[in-house]
Amino acid sequence: DTEVTQTPKHLVMGMTNKKSLKCEQHMGHRAMYWYKQKAKKPPELMFVYSYEKLSINESVPSRFSPECPNSSLLNLHLHALQPEDSALYLCASSQERDRGPMNTEAFFGQGTRLTVV
Amino acid sequence: AQKVTQAQTEISVVEKEDVTLDCVYETRDTTYYLFWYKQPPSGELVFLIRRNSFDEQNEISGRYSWNFQKSTSSFNFTITASQVVDSAVYFCALSEAHTGNQFYFGTGTSLTVIP
Repeated sequence: DTEVTQTPKHLVMGMTNKKSLKCEQHMGHRAMYWYKQKAKKPPELMFVYSYEKLSINESVPSRFSPECPNSSLLNLHLHALQPEDSALYLCASSQERDRGPMNTEAFFGQGTRLTVV
Repeated sequence: AQKVTQAQTEISVVEKEDVTLDCVYETRDTTYYLFWYKQPPSGELVFLIRRNSFDEQNEISGRYSWNFQKSTSSFNFTITASQVVDSAVYFCALSEAHTGNQFYFGTGTSLTVIP
């Protein structure tokens, strides 16, 4: 099973709303990622969790708040977003080892298409 | 500086033609990893291949083949006898040993296969 499941698939939210994106994997991967992808652009890394600890935050605005409740789940909490935050949000996971990165391939979910109005 | 360059923004081919997608990378690490991903309209990035910097053997998987040349810092991807289902955006990516799970993606090549 090489599946990463993201919910919801589509989300429309107002600028004053609070919503959450969810991601789940059961491959035993200990690295999980959030990427943001605008149309016709490559994915941009937002956050990396390694062994449920935040290891990389690519200077993402605080209106995006990640959470890793356990080794299988990754959430992205959204609050007070701007229209320019509309994008495809991709979750990914990969193998990891506690003594350093493994440089292995990441497996991606289908993404959540977010529209901020 | 862009670590991965995919100079071809869009390519159109007629079904059954062969097509090569170019990827040029830049790194100072001696140990690094190169990847190709396919992104169909559904949005999911589908992993295709990983190569490490010590393995320059070319690889073939069905209609797909990859040509890794360290001398030119290139990792090109060829689809033989293209099919309509190959229509997608293809991304080349790099990860370096010292940064681990940080992927540097190229800007992608949008491939359209015309029936």
